[in-house]
Amino acid sequence: GAVVSQHPSWVICKSGTSVKIECRSLDFQATTMFWYRQFPKQSLMLMATSNEGSKATYEQGVEKDKFLINHASLTLSTLTVTSAHPEDSSFYICSARQESNYGYTFGSGTRLTVV
Amino acid sequence: SQQGEEDPQALSIQEGENATMNCSYKTSINNLQWYRQNSGRGLVHLILIRSNEREKHSGRLRVTLDTSKKSSSLLITASRAADTASYFCATGRGSNYKLTFGKGTLLTVNP
Repeated sequence: GAVVSQHPSWVICKSGTSVKIECRSLDFQATTMFWYRQFPKQSLMLMATSNEGSKATYEQGVEKDKFLINHASLTLSTLTVTSAHPEDSSFYICSARQESNYGYTFGSGTRLTVV
Repeated sequence: SQQGEEDPQALSIQEGENATMNCSYKTSINNLQWYRQNSGRGLVHLILIRSNEREKHSGRLRVTLDTSKKSSSLLITASRAADTASYFCATGRGSNYKLTFGKGTLLTVNP
């Protein structure tokens, strides 16, 4: 089955530093990937849609200069949280859509803690 | 914005019992999907039902869709302790392929 690998699974960083999260589709090509944020005991909030070879589309209220998304190839999208602050601490999840069907495969998530 | 609303928000049952979770949405959809999430993990796709379908089965899962009421239900039969997780519905609409997730139901199956 389709697999999406997300790294790292957890990261602790200091305020003011930047953190990069990778999302790879291992056995299929994903022209579209999605980045979500999830607070404890809450649902997933879509942050942005990442399209290979073009700029990401951000949801309303999401700072594009703070959450940099790059989708340089059909199998890799990255989310960089720049100048992280404690309020950026959250669970970030990516997903990739398969062109062959309506299926979406999710990464295992990244727990970001900013201290 | 989140358009799906699941109820109940939390459900606790005994092993062997059936668990029913409901999801309501507000706008027209192409399809509705159900996902499972174990604590602190990613989401696992369970089942997708298209807008022109009314019922779908997969193993112990049964999903119904009522587009006139803009609602769906997920039934897990003969529940097991391993079914303990959060369950989310997600709706897809339009050509942008974005999914909108509901708030989820936390299911606890007691052994």
